[in-house]
Amino acid sequence: SQQGEEDPQALSIQEGENATMNCSYKTSINNLQWYRQNSGRGLVHLILIRSNEREKHSGRLRVTLDTSKKSSSLLITASRAADTASYFCATFMNYGGSQGNLIFGKGTKLSVKP
Amino acid sequence: NAGVTQTPKFQVLKTGQSMTLQCAQDMNHNSMYWYRQDPGMGLRLIYYSASEGTTDKGEVPNGYNVSRLNKREFSLRLESAAPSQTSVYFCASSVEGGSNTGELFFGEGSRLTVL
Repeated sequence: SQQGEEDPQALSIQEGENATMNCSYKTSINNLQWYRQNSGRGLVHLILIRSNEREKHSGRLRVTLDTSKKSSSLLITASRAADTASYFCATFMNYGGSQGNLIFGKGTKLSVKP
Repeated sequence: NAGVTQTPKFQVLKTGQSMTLQCAQDMNHNSMYWYRQDPGMGLRLIYYSASEGTTDKGEVPNGYNVSRLNKREFSLRLESAAPSQTSVYFCASSVEGGSNTGELFFGEGSRLTVL
């Protein structure tokens, strides 16, 4: 029951470069969220974009949402070694007769080399 | 400012043993969740509790039970552990659930190995 799927699965860049990750999803959404996970740690919420928003910024992060294409992108500008982590998108999905819940993609593993 | 606290952080079990993972949040959130994370599979929802007194199955509930002890605490029990349950387990909470689910706050994870 995969709702969101990130692309690419892995991304390796140099410090100072921009990193772009994409997320595609299947059903209509109220919002889409991005999370970061450092190795061996829990997930940390980065940004939430609502279905009526097209773009949102938070520091060096820029998220876009295209509901017609059912896709979102996360841009990290001027990346740093500390940005090395896995990044996940999450969207709400109804399934199996339950009220539904937040479903996560498999993530993009970002490596930023100094 | 603890947020979401999970115990234990590490556990090794033998096949057939039982154990309970504990989770507590101090943010007065209504909804709580248990996810498991396996390599290449992302996070999969095991069980959730939309509010105190309610629990419901997620994507992969087989082999697990849960208890929402009170608003703060949500425990996950493995009655008879199997090697397929070797995973990293994450507890999370949010102000509310359902289609209005906003930001989830995660614990640091419990790493379980079943031999």
